[in-house]
Amino acid sequence: EADIYQTPRYLVIGTGKKITLECSQTMGHDKMYWYQQDPGMELHLIHYSYGVNSTEKGDLSSESTVSRIRTEHFPLTLESARPSHTSQYLCASSGLSSGVKEAFFGQGTRLTVV
Amino acid sequence: DQQVKQNSPSLSVQEGRISILNCDYTNSMFDYFLWYKKYPAEGPTFLISISSIKDKNEDGRFTVFLNKSAKHLSLHIVPSQPGDSAVYFCAAGNSGGGADGLTFGKGTHLIIQP
Repeated sequence: EADIYQTPRYLVIGTGKKITLECSQTMGHDKMYWYQQDPGMELHLIHYSYGVNSTEKGDLSSESTVSRIRTEHFPLTLESARPSHTSQYLCASSGLSSGVKEAFFGQGTRLTVV
Repeated sequence: DQQVKQNSPSLSVQEGRISILNCDYTNSMFDYFLWYKKYPAEGPTFLISISSIKDKNEDGRFTVFLNKSAKHLSLHIVPSQPGDSAVYFCAAGNSGGGADGLTFGKGTHLIIQP
C-alpha cells in the first residue's frame, strides 16, 4: 500500500485566489512529481524533484511553482488561479536508488476555478 | 509530439473473455514500461511493468508483452472481471541516470460487460 497523500481532494475556488495543493509521502522516496491531467487526456509532467532543495520544470509548461524543503513534502502553489487551471493534479513519488521503476500516486486533487 | 500512444480511447469486453490493451512508443531511449490502472476521482495505481531486456512479464491475470522492434507493448487481462473496468495508462521511462519521470499515453477506458 502506497503512502502518499494529497489534500484537498476537491477544491472550487474563485479567479485570482492563491492556492496551495499539498502532497506528502511517508516512504522516504527521493523523487517526487506533479502531473496534470485533463479528462480523456494523458498525464503531463509539470514539476519534479530529485530531493530536498531540488525542483525542475517538466514537459508541460505550468504557471504553478513547487518547493521541496523536506523529503516528505512537495507542495504546489498557484499564485493567481484562473479558469484555465481547472484540471486534476496528481502527485507521485519514486525511489531514486531504484531508477525510474514504478511511481506511486496520490489520490489527486480536482481543482475547479470559477 | 506524443511519444507514447494508446490509439484506442475505449474498449468493451465481455466478462470472462480476454482484454487486450495496446500501446506504441516512438522514443528509442525508453527501456522500462509500465501499466497503470485508474478509477474515476482516484490516482493511478501501478499494475505491472516490463524492462526492455524481457519480452513478457506475467502477474496473475495480467501479462504484458513487449515487441521492441515494433516499439509496441500490450496488456492482456484474462479472464476479464467487472472490477477491471477502469482507465488503463501505458507509461514509459528510461532507467538510466537523470530520469525525470514517466511519459504517459492518453489512456484506454476498458469496460467489462456482464
